[in-house]
Amino acid sequence: GDSVTQMEGPVTLSEEAFLTINCTYTATGYPSLFWYVQYPGEGLQLLLKATKADDKGSNKGFEATYRKETTSFHLEKGSVQVSDSAVYFCALSQYNTDKLIFGTGTRLQVFP
Amino acid sequence: GAVVSQHPSWVICKSGTSVKIECRSLDFQATTMFWYRQFPKQSLMLMATSNEGSKATYEQGVEKDKFLINHASLTLSTLTVTSAHPEDSSFYICSARDRPGTSHEQFFGPGTRLTVL
Repeated sequence: GDSVTQMEGPVTLSEEAFLTINCTYTATGYPSLFWYVQYPGEGLQLLLKATKADDKGSNKGFEATYRKETTSFHLEKGSVQVSDSAVYFCALSQYNTDKLIFGTGTRLQVFP
Repeated sequence: GAVVSQHPSWVICKSGTSVKIECRSLDFQATTMFWYRQFPKQSLMLMATSNEGSKATYEQGVEKDKFLINHASLTLSTLTVTSAHPEDSSFYICSARDRPGTSHEQFFGPGTRLTVL
């Protein structure tokens, strides 16, 4: 069945460092891909999404490109801030379904 | 943005008792709500999908008599873990969607940590 694999954390960075969190998926067809973020004590929030190959989702300085050839959707940010410290979840959903399939989450810790 | 709350945020109970977790959409009407379960260092696993006024649809392997879901109004869904046992200890997360469609955006609650002694 469909699945999402993302790198284990925690990822520990200094402020203004470059961030990459890897995400790969296994799925039939052409799923939509998502990154969710969970700040401490809060629910998951949609960070960005891409619905077809070569689409780039972006929000708050974060970007991810839907790469069908490598079945990847890596999350990147050029300069992280302490406020970006959170858990990041990669997820997919097949067309016209409600079901989200999540990766295990990657904790990001940014220090000043 | 849309806000979803859960209550309680954590609960400890004795084995054999039942526990009810509430999920509320605070500023929108949720036609569909979802319940997830998360084990430490594992993914969120969808347990069931509930539509207001109808029976919940459970994922394969989830016992519907064990995990009772009620979605009686457009702003409230409840998950009752009946006759809880230590293996039911987990982090339970709900999400809600305001209208049907293919946008897939779900708004998540902060989760409820259940510990069964």
